[in-house]
Amino acid sequence: EAGVTQFPSHSVIEKGQTVTLRCDPISGHDNLYWYRRVMGKEIKFLLHFVKESKQDESGMPNNRFLAERTGGTYSTLKVQPAELEDSGVYFCASSQRDRGYYGYTFGSGTRLTVV
Amino acid sequence: AQSVTQLGSHVSVSEGALVLLRCNYSSSVPPYLFWYVQYPNQGLQLLLKYTTGATLVKGINGFEAEFKKSETSFHLTKPSAHMSDAAEYFCAVSAGSGYSTLTFGKGTMLLVSP
Repeated sequence: EAGVTQFPSHSVIEKGQTVTLRCDPISGHDNLYWYRRVMGKEIKFLLHFVKESKQDESGMPNNRFLAERTGGTYSTLKVQPAELEDSGVYFCASSQRDRGYYGYTFGSGTRLTVV
Repeated sequence: AQSVTQLGSHVSVSEGALVLLRCNYSSSVPPYLFWYVQYPNQGLQLLLKYTTGATLVKGINGFEAEFKKSETSFHLTKPSAHMSDAAEYFCAVSAGSGYSTLTFGKGTMLLVSP
């Protein structure tokens, strides 16, 4: 089966611009997660979708971040306007139903650099 | 609340030597524990997991980890390092079924020299 696909793999934008990251989960996976790793820090949870609904968005840093999941398929994470501290690697992961304890399948990540 | 501490941001070993990557956790509920590996330019790959049952868990590529509740530890080991093991390793904890959010440690970069 195809894995979790993220694009772009890299993005360099200027402070104040808008960037949209996309994640295509494994087909049939209801759970979709976004995580982020800021340089030198640990990977942190951002939010969790179950199908098209946000199950938990407690990790979203502020209202400059907007996540959507159209029709329960792919998801986008928009940062608007981007700030320097948003630089990092954004990971997407998916899992089947409520089987998080089996471990997710992660994508390769999007490396975002804000200059 | 949960947290994970990985001792050592970098660990260096010689090829053929024992690999030991340390992970300690705190959790207010019985934890599910994971080790992930990230090779350069790749995503996070699950190495092994502990949910319930046997406390010694075997994973891919010859790695294993032992859950020690009394020590709140889940250290990762491999008897003999290979050059291809050079990567970054992450320990993570989850509160278990119904709570699927992972809390990660800061990661340990494993360097393997010939």
